[in-house]
Amino acid sequence: DAGITQSPRYKITETGRQVTLMCHQTWSHSYMFWYRQDLGHGLRLIYYSAAADITDKGEVPDGYVVSRSKTENFPLTLESATRSQTSVYFCASSEPQLWGTEAFFGQGTRLTVV
Amino acid sequence: GNSVTQMEGPVTLSEEAFLTINCTYTATGYPSLFWYVQYPGEGLQLLLKATKADDKGSNKGFEATYRKETTSFHLEKGSVQVSDSAVYFCALTSGSRLTFGEGTQLTVNP
Repeated sequence: DAGITQSPRYKITETGRQVTLMCHQTWSHSYMFWYRQDLGHGLRLIYYSAAADITDKGEVPDGYVVSRSKTENFPLTLESATRSQTSVYFCASSEPQLWGTEAFFGQGTRLTVV
Repeated sequence: GNSVTQMEGPVTLSEEAFLTINCTYTATGYPSLFWYVQYPGEGLQLLLKATKADDKGSNKGFEATYRKETTSFHLEKGSVQVSDSAVYFCALTSGSRLTFGEGTQLTVNP
């Protein structure tokens, strides 16, 4: 199916465990992003990538690791999960345009750290 | 840096009421402005956008005008429906990174 897909949709993990959230897009967009959504904070950028093997920090990168070995995949890893990382995580992709670059979002992963 | 401020929610309206959700921004250069909508249990999807001053974006009865003099991009709809119940996000991009407001929860009652 064309589009951007995230997996899993729901995940419960324990404090201290490593967990990886997957993101796959079929458009070959250059840019990919990871956001977290929390009540009162809107969407905050965790990491983004401008191309394969190029990644950069966003607003809230601490405790997260990303990689982008292939253009279509952009996994997000929580190295040692903490309760403060309980959130809804959204992956997005975009292809830069001169004006008005639109981002396309996945359906989100709801992560609970207990 | 760039920032977006939305009116605080939640907003509750009756069907066929007029909707305004305020959005103001701070940015360097000439940003593009967006409204995204998030329906329950789903990701964000683009509702409308405007790329330069005085542009009006419109879609599904929603409108917003890019006002550079007031740094605003308020969302309006003349007659809301129950199906418009969702969270609305104002956003801007300068380059390839989107900056979002906090979101406004809209509930429309029949």
